[in-house]
Amino acid sequence: AQSVSQHNHHVILSEAASLELGCNYSYGGTVNLFWYVQYPGQHLQLLLKYFSGDPLVKGIKGFEAEFIKSKFSFNLRKPSVQWSDTAEYFCAVKGVGGKLIFGQGTELSVKP
Amino acid sequence: GAGVSQSPRYKVAKRGQDVALRCDPISGHVSLFWYQQALGQGPEFLTYFQNEAQLDKSGLPSDRFFAERPEGSVSTLKIQRTQQEDSAVYLCASNAEKVRSTDTQYFGPGTRLTVL
Repeated sequence: AQSVSQHNHHVILSEAASLELGCNYSYGGTVNLFWYVQYPGQHLQLLLKYFSGDPLVKGIKGFEAEFIKSKFSFNLRKPSVQWSDTAEYFCAVKGVGGKLIFGQGTELSVKP
Repeated sequence: GAGVSQSPRYKVAKRGQDVALRCDPISGHVSLFWYQQALGQGPEFLTYFQNEAQLDKSGLPSDRFFAERPEGSVSTLKIQRTQQEDSAVYLCASNAEKVRSTDTQYFGPGTRLTVL
């Protein structure tokens, strides 16, 4: 069965620190991968997505993610976080029929 | 334009009551998805519509859950005889066309259901 694992449940960083959130997926076919973000009190928003081509994907607000097929990974990175990045981050893979299969999420807290 | 909207935003039900949750997708969007998000978890797929056709209902947890989209726009998720384990946030998402690989799903704010 398709699945997504996010190993960091809660990450606490100080402003200007670098961020890397892990995401591993289990799916043998062509993968479409996503990172969504949910800011406090807001709905899920797309940060970035990978479908094909350059495995290094750039998204909004300075986020990027790298697809490493051999490691079944799609880790999210940002070189310098801000307090406003405090949110919950979800990795997802598109499954059969177009449904999204999500990881359990990583809560990021950035201390000012 | 307007995003995906859902109503009500919050719903408290007594165990055994029936509830109906509404989703208004982005105008013209063909595909509509429902997800259930339990506390501390990621969203889990419930069901999928393409226009008015329900093409996948494999994620519905029991026959108490029923969804419809009769005119291919607004959708309703109905839960009969609610149980405490139904407490969760119910998310609706839509995308513009049939589910091609490059489509993005746009999410609504969710309905938080609490069953007492």
